[in-house]
Amino acid sequence: GENVEQHPSTLSVQEGDSAVIKCTYSDSASNYFPWYKQELGKGPQLIIDIRSNVGEKKDQRIAVTLNKTAKHFSLHITETQPEDSAVYFCAASKGSGGGADGLTFGKGTHLIIQP
Amino acid sequence: DTAVSQTPKYLVTQMGNDKSIKCEQNLGHDTMYWYKQDSKKFLKIMFSYNNKELIINETVPNRFSPKSPDKAHLNLHINSLELGDSAVYFCASSLPGANVLTFGAGSRLTVL
Repeated sequence: GENVEQHPSTLSVQEGDSAVIKCTYSDSASNYFPWYKQELGKGPQLIIDIRSNVGEKKDQRIAVTLNKTAKHFSLHITETQPEDSAVYFCAASKGSGGGADGLTFGKGTHLIIQP
Repeated sequence: DTAVSQTPKYLVTQMGNDKSIKCEQNLGHDTMYWYKQDSKKFLKIMFSYNNKELIINETVPNRFSPKSPDKAHLNLHINSLELGDSAVYFCASSLPGANVLTFGAGSRLTVL
């Protein structure tokens, strides 16, 4: 089955700096890679996703990059703000048709934005 | 309007008891899920269910059982609670065959 490794487990950055979270996956058939943000006391929420036919995707201050050859993908957050403090999860699956039960999550990164 | 709602938000109980967590979604999704999040924040799928098929993660003890009265509800029943069952349980839903999950706010279960 799929195995998703996520690093670092904790990341502390100064407000205004950039943050990068990295994930690797094992199954070369995986083609869908979402990122979820979990704020304190809430459930995870999808913030951005990328499919394997795309190398990069941006949405305002967040971006995701994918390297299919190396089987890794990363989340980039620029100009970090206090509200970015949360736990971030990467995930991988073999794409639509398989359902979300095919999603394999990483173990999460606790992002701390220092004022 | 809350899209996926779970009750109760907190549940404290004694070992050996039987308890239930309820979940309702108003998104019109056909597929619902239960996830367990342990103290290290690791998210693990327990069940996925639509009106045709229940898929069970083989590592889930049979003390856990999902029950769905209709496609908008998926409740989680836990028998003979153990200390290791303490965790946050998340309900989620998605469109059939889709990867995007909408999570509830979670139910924190503490077994004493």
